[in-house]
Amino acid sequence: DIVMTQTPLSLSVTPGQPASISCKSSQSLLHSDGKTYLHWCLQKPGQPPQLLIYAVSNRFSGVPDRFSGSGSGTDFTLQISRVEAEDVGLYYCMQSLHLPGTFGGGTKVEIK
Amino acid sequence: QVQLVESGGGVVQPGRSLRLSCAASGFIFSRNVMHWVRQAPGKGLEWVAVISHDGSNQYYADSVKGRFTISRDNSKNTVYLQMNSLRVEDTAVYYCAKRGVEMATIVEIDYWGQGTLVTVSS
Repeated sequence: DIVMTQTPLSLSVTPGQPASISCKSSQSLLHSDGKTYLHWCLQKPGQPPQLLIYAVSNRFSGVPDRFSGSGSGTDFTLQISRVEAEDVGLYYCMQSLHLPGTFGGGTKVEIK
Repeated sequence: QVQLVESGGGVVQPGRSLRLSCAASGFIFSRNVMHWVRQAPGKGLEWVAVISHDGSNQYYADSVKGRFTISRDNSKNTVYLQMNSLRVEDTAVYYCAKRGVEMATIVEIDYWGQGTLVTVSS
């Protein structure tokens, strides 16, 4: 199985400041179709996960543009340009290149 | 809008069985791959099983292979997870989720249900 490693485990951010989360995969997530199957989701407290970013850098419907994703191969980053109170929760990266899909361990984002 | 509503969770003794259901609406169910993903209390996400749009193919995590069975009824817009020989370590919230396509890209999970809690305890 592909192992997904996220850092940091937790992040405490002042509202309005940026935040960055790293995700590394144990093998390249680049498919032969040219796409990279790395996604990001957010689990707000008491809620199910929700998709934020798909295929490295594409924001899902309704996701604010303060969220952005980047990276290639095995190294990926989720950035929040200006953290807001509603952004608190657990952020997970996920690979879907190979079954089983696997998730990173999660990064908890809190507000200072 | 897409809705995925899980049911069937509860408290069950080790070794017993339970069947989860997920009723889908707001999209063409029969065209979509469906997943079950679980989350143990205070832990991260673990993918459990996936089924093709027509039910002809299934794939399981090693941790549940041989014990869990995913199935679907496209006439009822429902996907199921039959869980046999349950273990304490199967205790988790079980989420139903769907695959989507965005901008010609397969997004393995684009929508999640609210989840149903399964507690395996004697």
